[in-house]
Parts: sequence; structure tokens; C-alpha cells
Amino acid sequence: TQLLEQSPQFLSIQEGENLTVYCNSSSVFSSLQWYRQEPGEGPVLLVTVVTGGEVKKLKRLTFQFGDARKDSSLHITAAQPGDTGLYLCAGARVDSNYQLIWGAGTKLIIKP
Amino acid sequence: DAGVIQSPRHEVTEMGQEVTLRCKPISGHNSLFWYRQTMMRGLELLIYFNNNVPIDDSGMPEDRFSAKMPNASFSTLKIQPSEPRDSAVYFCASRLQGFGGYTFGSGTRLTVV
Repeated sequence: TQLLEQSPQFLSIQEGENLTVYCNSSSVFSSLQWYRQEPGEGPVLLVTVVTGGEVKKLKRLTFQFGDARKDSSLHITAAQPGDTGLYLCAGARVDSNYQLIWGAGTKLIIKP
Repeated sequence: DAGVIQSPRHEVTEMGQEVTLRCKPISGHNSLFWYRQTMMRGLELLIYFNNNVPIDDSGMPEDRFSAKMPNASFSTLKIQPSEPRDSAVYFCASRLQGFGGYTFGSGTRLTVV
């Protein structure tokens, strides 16, 4: 069974601090997606990383795909209250063109 | 585009009743997914349709669950009879096959009492 372990499960920090969320697996993925979910809404795609070692930036968010395509990280610089939400990573299986392996999520709270 | 539209947003029903959840995918998307989200199990894929055809229903919990996609713009997920353990948020998502991530609807919060 493929697993995608996400850490930390919960993070509460002050506005302006930096943070990193990790997704780790023993399996290789063809790509990895990051989503943010707000209460009462569905997950919203933030980014897809495809190439091993790839780094993508979305304003204050930096996403990295591990060289071996087994892990990924999300770094937020100078977090703001608007970053509050549930962050989910999802790995695309190499043997499927539709199946995603989902992490359990990181609940992030940014306090003003 | 209005995005993926789900209805109802909330549903409270009594155990044993039939529940039907509805989804309108994004126009032009040919892949549709039904997911269930709970605190204990996270996001679980229930069923995947491609070009209106069910491709993978291995995630459907049991025979009480059924899903249909009669055309490219509409899908339903039915639970009959419903049980308290079916209480969860049910999401519909769509995408253009082979291109990037999924677009999720806002979900239906189902409570079975």
C-alpha cells in the first residue's frame, strides 16, 4: 500500500513567521500536487510539481519536489492570516493516469 | 466558468432513507471523481468516470452506494439505505484527463442520524 506521510499534522504560528510542511513516501510519484482547503470548501490546487528537484514559487509559497520524486516540501515565508487552512499533498501514481495518493493534511493556523 | 457545482450543500437525513448527491463538472472536463472526506480517513476516492463511463468503482464502500453519469454535465451519487457511518463530506471533482490537478466542488456535508 502506497502511503504519503504529511507532517506536521497541526501548526499554529504567529503572523510573520516562516514554516515548512513535508510530504514523504517510500514510493516514487510521477507528479505531486499541493492543495489548500478552507473550512466548508473543497481543496483548491496550488501547484503541481513534475520533475525531480523541481522548485516552484507562488508568491510567498515555495514548493519543492525531491530529486527521487518520493517527497516534497512546502515552505511559507512571512506567513499571514490568509494562509490559514488545511494543506494537502497528493502524489500521482506512476502506474495510473488518475489515481492520487493523498496525505492526511496539515492544519495551519496563522495568528495575527 | 462557475466551477464544479454540487448540491445540496448540506443534507441531514434519518437512517434508512435514500440520499442523492448531485454534481455538475466543469464543461469540457472528461474525468469526474467522487470523493469522501472524514477526519479519520481523510480523502477517499469512491468512483472515477472517464467520458461518462465508470472506470474504477473499487472505492465504493458497499452495495448501498451507487453512482451514475448519464451525460457529460451531470453525475449523481446515491446512498440507499443511508447509515450513520455514512456521515461525511462528499466531494465531486473534475479535470481534463492528463492535464494537471483536479477542480473540486464545495462538497455536500451529509449527516445521517
